[in-house]
Amino acid sequence: DTGVSQDPRHKITKRGQNVTFRCDPISEHNRLYWYRQTLGQGPEFLTYFQNEAQLEKSRLLSDRFSAERPKGSFSTLEIQRTEQGDSAMYLCASSLDLGTGEPGLAGRPYNEQFFGPGTRLTVL
Amino acid sequence: LAKTTQPISMDSYEGQEVNITCSHNNIATNDYITWYQQFPSQGPRFIIQGYKTKVTNEVASLFIPADRKSSTLSLPRVSLSDTAVYYCLVAALGAAGNKLTFGGGTRVLVKP
Repeated sequence: DTGVSQDPRHKITKRGQNVTFRCDPISEHNRLYWYRQTLGQGPEFLTYFQNEAQLEKSRLLSDRFSAERPKGSFSTLEIQRTEQGDSAMYLCASSLDLGTGEPGLAGRPYNEQFFGPGTRLTVL
Repeated sequence: LAKTTQPISMDSYEGQEVNITCSHNNIATNDYITWYQQFPSQGPRFIIQGYKTKVTNEVASLFIPADRKSSTLSLPRVSLSDTAVYYCLVAALGAAGNKLTFGGGTRVLVKP
């Protein structure tokens, strides 16, 4: 399977524990995004990487959250001292940015992001 | 950032055409319109994208009037497997990070 993969698919933890999620993007994609989705809502942007550099973080990403992409390939999202409000689906997406800003390059849609299946976190 | 408004839910029957209209009154010249589909317990999936007029692919058609203040996603002859949430997104060409901003989406239920 050459799509985006995430591990684990489900995580149940107790309040106050630390959790770490992993995302493996499509191999040639240089951009990697993390989103969070709660029940009945659309995904909300958390952060993104261009290669190994973390270039933007949402205000939703409190100090308890940290994300890394050390070699510009896979990424990890860690939540420290989890709270019940952290319960959500954490989605990872990747895309190929060609740096031209031009849509339709080589017939491809502009900024098409490929999402993984998500990690569902339940904090008890 | 252009805000989008779309119906919360729609019901349809197998074999019918489903049209979902999204309003984006504040769309800017540099903005593109993109639709994603999300099945339960899966990540969203790109369906179609357009800037103006009509775009068609193997899955759907996207109609965008000249003023671009709205767009309509058309799903021809839906089947039960088209039951999903459909998101309309507007994003600027070349925006930093190109993060996707999702609204609440339209929950489409296809009945037998």
